[in-house]
Amino acid sequence: DVKVTQSSRYLVKRTGEKVFLECVQDMDHENMFWYRQDPGLGLRLIYFSYDVKMKEKGDIPEGYSVSREKKERFSLILESASTNQTSMYLCASSFPQVWRGNEQFFGPGTRLTVL
Amino acid sequence: SQQGEEDPQALSIQEGENATMNCSYKTSINNLQWYRQNSGRGLVHLILIRSNEREKHSGRLRVTLDTSKKSSSLLITASRAADTASYFCATDYFSDTDKLIFGTGTRLQVFP
Repeated sequence: DVKVTQSSRYLVKRTGEKVFLECVQDMDHENMFWYRQDPGLGLRLIYFSYDVKMKEKGDIPEGYSVSREKKERFSLILESASTNQTSMYLCASSFPQVWRGNEQFFGPGTRLTVL
Repeated sequence: SQQGEEDPQALSIQEGENATMNCSYKTSINNLQWYRQNSGRGLVHLILIRSNEREKHSGRLRVTLDTSKKSSSLLITASRAADTASYFCATDYFSDTDKLIFGTGTRLQVFP
């Protein structure tokens, strides 16, 4: 079974702190994604990575950065956390569409609260 | 953003009844997928239908796709309390198929 794990289920941080959210997948997927999920807004793509050290901005990248030094690990970084970044963060991974179809496998999510 | 929209936003039914959720999207697609999310958890893939397919079945799930209307429906037959969850449709970008655009979801409550 594909497994996507996220470093924390719940996280509470203070405004201005630097926050790291980690995601690890064990299926050798090329693609990895970070989304945030807010009530009434669905899932919005923050960043996408299609290979090690490669990244692409999604719909809402402002205030975030990412790092992918190894194929299995994709980190989301909040450089200076703000209260409007309080949200559920979901990581996902997939094979490239041309290989295997673009079904995405999700981690359990990290609920981040910024005080 | 070219987000899809699900309809209704929320649905409450009794066990044994059928549940139908609809999804509309805006642009040409290669495929459309449905995902399920239990409260506070990650999403789980349910079913994928390609743009050249009109209907697909998987167990108690039936998905239809009408590309002329840019819409899809998910039917869950003989619902169970365990089907209580949020359901999302997702479409790819026709020219960039590795990314998906998710709708805002339908919250389904199945009462025993």
